[in-house]
Amino acid sequence: DSGVTQTPKHLITATGQRVTLRCSPRSGDLSVYWYQQSLDQGLQFLIQYYNGEERAKGNILERFSAQQFPDLHSELNLSSLELGDSALYFCASSVGRESYEQYFGPGTRLTVT
Amino acid sequence: LAKTTQPISMDSYEGQEVNITCSHNNIATNDYITWYQQFPSQGPRFIIQGYKTKVTNEVASLFIPADRKSSTLSLPRVSLSDTAVYYCLVGSSNTGKLIFGQGTTLQVKP
Repeated sequence: DSGVTQTPKHLITATGQRVTLRCSPRSGDLSVYWYQQSLDQGLQFLIQYYNGEERAKGNILERFSAQQFPDLHSELNLSSLELGDSALYFCASSVGRESYEQYFGPGTRLTVT
Repeated sequence: LAKTTQPISMDSYEGQEVNITCSHNNIATNDYITWYQQFPSQGPRFIIQGYKTKVTNEVASLFIPADRKSSTLSLPRVSLSDTAVYYCLVGSSNTGKLIFGQGTTLQVKP
């Protein structure tokens, strides 16, 4: 158990809909990262927040957004969903601003039908 | 940020040493290298991280040559439970961007 929690575990929704994925980092970790993992694209870095502020952006689509709240939990919002958004979404956390050692959550499996 | 390339798969036998190499030709001065292990239906798990030369911990070693254009994860005496996908990750201390390799599926046979 990494100490990172993600909800929900599974999510099935229709195209065009909007969903919110939630992540709670390990106690004491200030950074939260979001990743998308699909069979054809592998592990893709989406975005990092450090202590409430956006620190780095990766291949995050404009339809996706994230935030980190004062209690350090984070949410990833996916809107106007397309079939191609079906994937595993992982959240990870680390102590500091740099991602030297990240702890990953169990993931949320999103299926868009 | 450096593009990373790894072999898609490797086979080994129990008790052997396994070396998995990741190429990152365009690595920048302040980029660092990390390796993760992933089992099916689980999130990746941190193995080891380094910047240059050699780093060793209780589970693996990481070798990074002077030009830093590649890195090699070394797993001593693998067991069946080491069957997993191994990812190298190059991270930028400047921009914070992170690039994962496509992963190497290691199959350990008895």
